[in-house]
Amino acid sequence: DTAVSQTPKYLVTQMGNDKSIKCEQNLGHDTMYWYKQDSKKFLKIMFSYNNKELIINETVPNRFSPKSPDKAHLNLHINSLELGDSAVYFCASSQGFSMTPQHFGDGTRLSIL
Amino acid sequence: RKEVEQDPGPFNVPEGATVAFNCTYSNSASQSFFWYRQDCRKEPKLLMSVYSSGNEDGRFTAQLNRASQYISLLIRDSKLSDSATYLCVVPGGGGSQGNLIFGKGTKLSVKP
Repeated sequence: DTAVSQTPKYLVTQMGNDKSIKCEQNLGHDTMYWYKQDSKKFLKIMFSYNNKELIINETVPNRFSPKSPDKAHLNLHINSLELGDSAVYFCASSQGFSMTPQHFGDGTRLSIL
Repeated sequence: RKEVEQDPGPFNVPEGATVAFNCTYSNSASQSFFWYRQDCRKEPKLLMSVYSSGNEDGRFTAQLNRASQYISLLIRDSKLSDSATYLCVVPGGGGSQGNLIFGKGTKLSVKP
């Protein structure tokens, strides 16, 4: 059983489109995250939700909107995609945050044409 | 000092060698630290947690030096399969409190 699963694994789309990435975890964790890893391989947090409540919202364009329907799911919607959005997006989960390790999904590779 | 800083490498070592990576951090209040491993085009995976002075798991040893604010990862008897990027992770402080800060990683390449 996959602990943290993301869909889709690959996403190729044109500039200006709107797309969503879904994430689900079956670990029973109460905290979920979205990270962006760009071409320089730097992993940077975007959002964190604890029990469906937004905890961390780093400096991210408001074209990115996370939604957590329940504590096992955290989806990411992106409006008006730009070339600079091309990256690998990782979902992660943990029980609590900061003091506990995070478990990652296998990533969504987003390419903007 | 940056929140988390690592030597990007690459470290090119022969099989069987012992290799060590250092990582410095700025948040002196940090209590827990982690080493993650990331293979090319894969997700980061937890390698070790460090909650006190250090931790050992087989060929891997992590040590924490709070006074100098660095953690190290020692890999003994390197295997080809150890080739990966090793990410140092520390809790954020100040405006980043509540999240984990990932270093940019140290790339290790183990050669036959």
